[in-house]
Amino acid sequence: QVQLRQSGPGLVKPSQTLSLTCAISGDSVSSSTSVWNWLRHSPSRGLEWLGRTYYRSKWYNDYAGSVKSRITVSPDTSTNQFSLQLKSVTPEDTAVYYCARDPGYAISIFDIWDQGTMVAVS
Amino acid sequence: QSALTQPPSASGSPGQSVTISCTGTSSDVGRYDYVSWYQHHPGKAPKLIIYDVTKRPSGVPDRFSGSKSGNTASLTVSGLQAEDEADYYCMSNAGKDPYVLGTGTKVTVL
Repeated sequence: QVQLRQSGPGLVKPSQTLSLTCAISGDSVSSSTSVWNWLRHSPSRGLEWLGRTYYRSKWYNDYAGSVKSRITVSPDTSTNQFSLQLKSVTPEDTAVYYCARDPGYAISIFDIWDQGTMVAVS
Repeated sequence: QSALTQPPSASGSPGQSVTISCTGTSSDVGRYDYVSWYQHHPGKAPKLIIYDVTKRPSGVPDRFSGSKSGNTASLTVSGLQAEDEADYYCMSNAGKDPYVLGTGTKVTVL
């Protein structure tokens, strides 16, 4: 059974970097089929996909245009985790952040999510 | 890429049906049969309930069904139950943009 468990601070100061980590159990961050994603939800912006990382003989990353200049999603194969770094945060980045798996057996779906972490920028 | 448009709210009495629309464009919903739907109870992990427009993952009741016509996809919940009260989001592939999400619909069971 695949599970994701997120960790990271719930409060970040404006202009600093938001950092979250998602630990994977039951699958591998280096899987040749799975894709590992970050999303967030806020009342003002709704549910928004932020970025992803995946391995297909080499590592790939894709990012949403709205955060492309500030975001890094990276794998950690030694701990089977992937992380989110969002630089220069503002109060607009206050949201519930989710990590999620796209399993690769269909196009563009998220079959496993964590419960989310509320991050406030203040 | 703009978000897919959903009605903010929908409601129905227990046992009735409710249908939620998800309107995109010819670049996303209209172009690809890669629409998925998610049920989200606040404080819990969102749950995949429909993918590839009409397919249900194992364990999802057949009360949940999906369809698509042109640029609009729909989710129908038949035989509404109290536990169906939740937020529902659609999502589509849009080529260069792998995940385009809907604005979300809050379903209330009256």
